[in-house]
Amino acid sequence: GAGVSQTPSNKVTEKGKYVELRCDPISGHTALYWYRQSLGQGPEFLIYFQGTGAADDSGLPNDRFFAVRPEGSVSTLKIQRTERGDSAVYLCASSSLSGPYEQYFGPGTRLTVT
Amino acid sequence: QKEVEQNSGPLSVPEGAIASLNCTYSDRGSQSFFWYRQYSGKSPELIMSIYSNGDKEDGRFTAQLNKASQYVSLLIRDSQPSDSATYLCAVNGGYSSASKIIFGSGTRLSIRP
Repeated sequence: GAGVSQTPSNKVTEKGKYVELRCDPISGHTALYWYRQSLGQGPEFLIYFQGTGAADDSGLPNDRFFAVRPEGSVSTLKIQRTERGDSAVYLCASSSLSGPYEQYFGPGTRLTVT
Repeated sequence: QKEVEQNSGPLSVPEGAIASLNCTYSDRGSQSFFWYRQYSGKSPELIMSIYSNGDKEDGRFTAQLNKASQYVSLLIRDSQPSDSATYLCAVNGGYSSASKIIFGSGTRLSIRP
């Protein structure tokens, strides 16, 4: 079946602009996760959804970052007033909630803030 | 203190040999352990998961878990050039099995012909 998809694959924006990154999880996966990865580092957790609600948003770095999943499927990560330090690859993953709990990643969105 | 520690490498292994990748973690309550492979410019790909002490084998890959020592390892037998990648050790970071994953920084593995 289809894996996790993310759009766009690349996004270049100017400092101060607003961006939205989209994730479409594996069909039937109730859990959805956002991570971001900087060069030479492992992915860093941002937020986790069970269904429509955020079960854990402890990784969001500040209030410029927000994510929604209104219908329990597609999720959008929103970044306001982007800063150059937000440049990274933003990864989305999904998993089943009934086990196994393995997370499968999408191809990522490379965000560059100029 | 980092929660998941890995040697960054690079680890260079001759083709056909066994590659051994190691990882330690700090949270004794962790229940789920994963190895991801990441090729340059690509996203992480899950290759092994392990949940109980001991060994788990899948093809050329064997994951080993020792919860008492808080240690996870990955063995790759008959290493191939296509195994050259960064290997990420990951541990679940919450109290439920479906929760955030904490990643190490990865070990770069290079298989030399």
